Amino acid sequence: QSALTQPPSASGSPGQSVTISCTGTSSDIGAYNSVSWYQHHPGKAPKLMISQVSKRPSGVPGRFSGSKSGNAASLTVSGLQADDEADYYCSSYGGSNNLLFGGGTKLTVL
Amino acid sequence: QVHLQQSGPGLVEPSQTLSLTCAISGDSVSSNSAAWNWIRQSPSRGLEWLGRTYYSSKWNNDYAVSVKSRITINSDTSKNQLSLHLSSVTPEDTAVYYCAKGWLAGGLDCWGQGTVVTVSS
Repeated sequence: QSALTQPPSASGSPGQSVTISCTGTSSDIGAYNSVSWYQHHPGKAPKLMISQVSKRPSGVPGRFSGSKSGNAASLTVSGLQADDEADYYCSSYGGSNNLLFGGGTKLTVL
Repeated sequence: QVHLQQSGPGLVEPSQTLSLTCAISGDSVSSNSAAWNWIRQSPSRGLEWLGRTYYSSKWNNDYAVSVKSRITINSDTSKNQLSLHLSSVTPEDTAVYYCAKGWLAGGLDCWGQGTVVTVSS
């Protein structure tokens, strides 16, 4: 069982927006602005899409955005494209030099 | 452009030590501005951070509580690589293992290709 809770699946049609949630506690997500989101196409290396709650690394499309409220964080993908279909994982610094991950959400583009 | 190339056996016998290496190009394992991590992924445990090494005046290591008694992460500056050693493995350690660059609070911005490791006799 993963430390952070994500819905197992999400879906949307091309062009639509979809939001994936990530729920933690006051000791991890709620305590630090250190939520990251990763895109993982099976068989490939995970890719950092969002860091520090809402920062997009260079090269990540502006269609990807992140936010946080209390003990929960969210990743929103706008203008869905076929290539966005992948597994998405959240992570958060958990204190005491520890990193926590969510169980992953499979995003399907209908 | 940082590139991480992993290597190591795909099959390890129970009770033995799992050893993997991660060769770094485009950066230095002894950089003061980078930390080097090991993460694994399995169907039962999902993504699990295992530990990290970084240089800041001296070498530092942090390990996940779940594997702390069995894990060692080393760095080899002559080969510019890091290594993972996980002792006394069981089938529960079967997973895809990744090395990755980044700070815990800042995101892991570069990952190796992953190594499938099966623990079985």
